[in-house]
Amino acid sequence: EAGVAQSPRYKIIEKRQSVAFWCNPISGHATLYWYQQILGQGPKLLIQFQNNGVVDDSQLPKDRFSAERLKGVDSTLKIQPAKLEDSAVYLCASSLKGTYNEQFFGPGTRLTVL
Amino acid sequence: GENVEQHPSTLSVQEGDSAVIKCTYSDSASNYFPWYKQELGKGPQLIIDIRSNVGEKKDQRIAVTLNKTAKHFSLHITETQPEDSAVYFCAALNDYKLSFGAGTTVTVRA
Repeated sequence: EAGVAQSPRYKIIEKRQSVAFWCNPISGHATLYWYQQILGQGPKLLIQFQNNGVVDDSQLPKDRFSAERLKGVDSTLKIQPAKLEDSAVYLCASSLKGTYNEQFFGPGTRLTVL
Repeated sequence: GENVEQHPSTLSVQEGDSAVIKCTYSDSASNYFPWYKQELGKGPQLIIDIRSNVGEKKDQRIAVTLNKTAKHFSLHITETQPEDSAVYFCAALNDYKLSFGAGTTVTVRA
């Protein structure tokens, strides 16, 4: 079974630029999550989708972050404009059906904002 | 929201010894507690989990205990091996949202 795929693996941008991350979850998984992991901290949930609907986005900085999950499969997370404090690893995860099922994480995208 | 505290932040053990990581949570409504292992350059991977109606769960060399009254849960790794070296995260599920601890870096010395 293929795992969660993410791209790119690394990205370096200047502050105020925009960036987008892509995630392809495990086939058949209804729930998709985006987490932000700052160095030395645990992952923090940004947004959770159930199929293509948003379940929770209470911790998503909506003035600069946006995410979508078209057709309930792939998802993109965008930051526009980026700030220095956005430097982190952005993890995508998926689960079969809801948060009580095991979440499978992708390898993450390491973002550096200069 | 839920607040999860994890201790210690770093742990160094001799190969073959046991390792214990402790976590506390703030919201008594939390009802699911997974533990994740994260190796360098990889995403976290679930190693064991426990639900609030169970006090203890074991899987080979790994065990987790839960004390709902005190709102704390612990991970126990016995007979540690070099491949156990990684960062370990505890988490608590509340209102369909998983909150993670800050992580424990475990180093197993040969």
